[in-house]
Amino acid sequence: DAKTTQPTSMDCAEGRAANLPCNHSTISGNEYVYWYRQIHSQGPQYIIHGLKNNETNEMASLIITEDRKSSTLILPHATLRDTAVYYCIVRVNTNAGKSTFGDGTTLTVKP
Amino acid sequence: DAGVIQSPRHEVTEMGQEVTLRCKPISGHDYLFWYRQTMMRGLELLIYFNNNVPIDDSGMPEDRFSAKMPNASFSTLKIQPSEPRDSAVYFCASSNGRRGAGDTQYFGPGTRLTVL
Repeated sequence: DAKTTQPTSMDCAEGRAANLPCNHSTISGNEYVYWYRQIHSQGPQYIIHGLKNNETNEMASLIITEDRKSSTLILPHATLRDTAVYYCIVRVNTNAGKSTFGDGTTLTVKP
Repeated sequence: DAGVIQSPRHEVTEMGQEVTLRCKPISGHDYLFWYRQTMMRGLELLIYFNNNVPIDDSGMPEDRFSAKMPNASFSTLKIQPSEPRDSAVYFCASSNGRRGAGDTQYFGPGTRLTVL
């Protein structure tokens, strides 16, 4: 699986959009970009994933650059409950989700 | 769906004792994963199963750790004998192994293990 680089921490004002970047310059053509988050004391939670195209669901949007070397997770209207560690993972679509979690980005949403 | 169920949620034991952690995956999921999370090492994959068969146990730290999946709805992670350095939160996750459209893992709430 390709290595990812994320900022250690970020702050965001409540109600504003939170944009979390991820670099994955060594991504292969068959590797997907997945985002999970982990709220304190809970298990990681799936957010969204994509291969080439931008994706949106009820939780977030995922923007993948055309060269696929980086992506951005967007939480459109961050709330205090979005404070969590956000993990960006790139992996092939095999082994049904076997994932290597890095250190992630600690997002703190402030009132 | 109740999601992935783990028990116990908290376990405190003394060094040298046997510890058994339990997991019930989401019904219909054919992959099951055991992870360990510590401040020092982050979230580490220990072992995963497909259709009850262990596929990759390269993350299991040593022979004191063993995992079984006797049927599609139950798995155990056993530590014998336990040591203080085994103190961590242990997560179980499951997925349904679909191909082509991506697949996601669903995590349980974790078991917080403290070995004194």
